[in-house]
Amino acid sequence: TQLLEQSPQFLSIQEGENLTVYCNSSSVFSSLQWYRQEPGEGPVLLVTVVTGGEVKKLKRLTFQFGDARKDSSLHITAAQPGDTGLYLCAGADYGGSQGNLIFGKGTKLSVKP
Amino acid sequence: GAGVSQTPSNKVTEKGKYVELRCDPISGHTALYWYRQSLGQGPEFLIYFQGTGAADDSGLPNDRFFAVRPEGSVSTLKIQRTERGDSAVYLCASSLSGGDAETQYFGPGTRLLVL
Repeated sequence: TQLLEQSPQFLSIQEGENLTVYCNSSSVFSSLQWYRQEPGEGPVLLVTVVTGGEVKKLKRLTFQFGDARKDSSLHITAAQPGDTGLYLCAGADYGGSQGNLIFGKGTKLSVKP
Repeated sequence: GAGVSQTPSNKVTEKGKYVELRCDPISGHTALYWYRQSLGQGPEFLIYFQGTGAADDSGLPNDRFFAVRPEGSVSTLKIQRTERGDSAVYLCASSLSGGDAETQYFGPGTRLLVL
């Protein structure tokens, strides 16, 4: 069974701080996605990484896919209260059913003004 | 354009009852997915439709759960003889054609509470 472990589970920081959250697995994924979910809403896709070692930047967010395609990280620079939410990573099963995303449990981020 | 919509937004039922949850995907999306999210967990895959057919139903927990998509658009997730452990948020997502790096667009979910 493929599992994605996210850490930390909870993170509470002050506005302006930097942070990194991690997504790790013992399995290889063909692609990995990061989502943000707010209370009462469905997850919203932030980025998809496909190539081992790939780095993508989205404004203050930097996403990295590990060389072996087993892990990923999300770094947020100068966090703002609007970044508060649940950050989920999800992997597409390498060689498995198309569309079958395997999600981690998420990192719940709270950014205080 | 309109996103994925799900109805009802909340459903409270009694143990043993039957429930139906509806998902309206984005128009033109051939792929539709159902996930279940329990409190404090990430979404858990249930079933994936490509058009009218279930391409992968390996995530359905048991035979009390069933889903249909008869015309390749709207889908209904059906749960028979509900149990308290079925309480969760049921999320629906759709994507254009179902590729594994494709964006899945999620609806807001149906919150099911089984008393």
